Amino acid sequence: GESVGLHLPTLSVQEGDNSIINCAYSNSASDYFIWYKQESGKGPQFIIDIRSNMDKRQGQRVTVLLNKTVKHLSLQIAATQPGDSAVYFCAENAGGTSYGKLTFGQGTILTVHP
Amino acid sequence: KAGVTQTPRYLIKTRGQQVTLSCSPISGHRSVSWYQQTPGQGLQFLFEYFSETQRNKGNFPGRFSGRQFSNSRSEMNVSTLELGDSALYLCASSSWTSAYEQYFGPGTRLTVT
Repeated sequence: GESVGLHLPTLSVQEGDNSIINCAYSNSASDYFIWYKQESGKGPQFIIDIRSNMDKRQGQRVTVLLNKTVKHLSLQIAATQPGDSAVYFCAENAGGTSYGKLTFGQGTILTVHP
Repeated sequence: KAGVTQTPRYLIKTRGQQVTLSCSPISGHRSVSWYQQTPGQGLQFLFEYFSETQRNKGNFPGRFSGRQFSNSRSEMNVSTLELGDSALYLCASSSWTSAYEQYFGPGTRLTVT
């Protein structure tokens, strides 16, 4: 699936709440899934990745869940902080000869209120 | 370790001109990928280079080209610029063991007038 950037979904939370950002991916053959965070004026920043043979992976304050049956990916951020405010993108990679080709989702704008 | 650097950060060009953007990957990274980011289309893959060879290409016209040098630095070129080429051009580098785990530079903001 191609990324379409118009009218990004938004998520607004209070500081300290948990945030859940969702992503539907298109290629059932995708082998790697990655979450990126992009702050204004900066390039995307790698957050966490998960391989298709896993259902869940945890990092520092973040958890990624993968449901291959419905081609759905989610990013959970615990105890969300104002510094987490950014646009979050999921990306998929088909592995094999796809090498470094990532297909990005449209992005979700996360706003954290103090 | 220094991150991915891109030059220039901002660029204004006129329709019909051509432009060259530069990217220096993280030290030790041999793969460099380029993406175009626009509000309308989001982040779209342009091409990827590894060891001076293009090994993946996205769906962009031939006006978009790139190359990679022996020190892994990469350039991309856009010829005969169109207004629709206005975008943030992002470069990302990765190690040969994890091509999908990409680290992005700050981008070059290109405005075509």
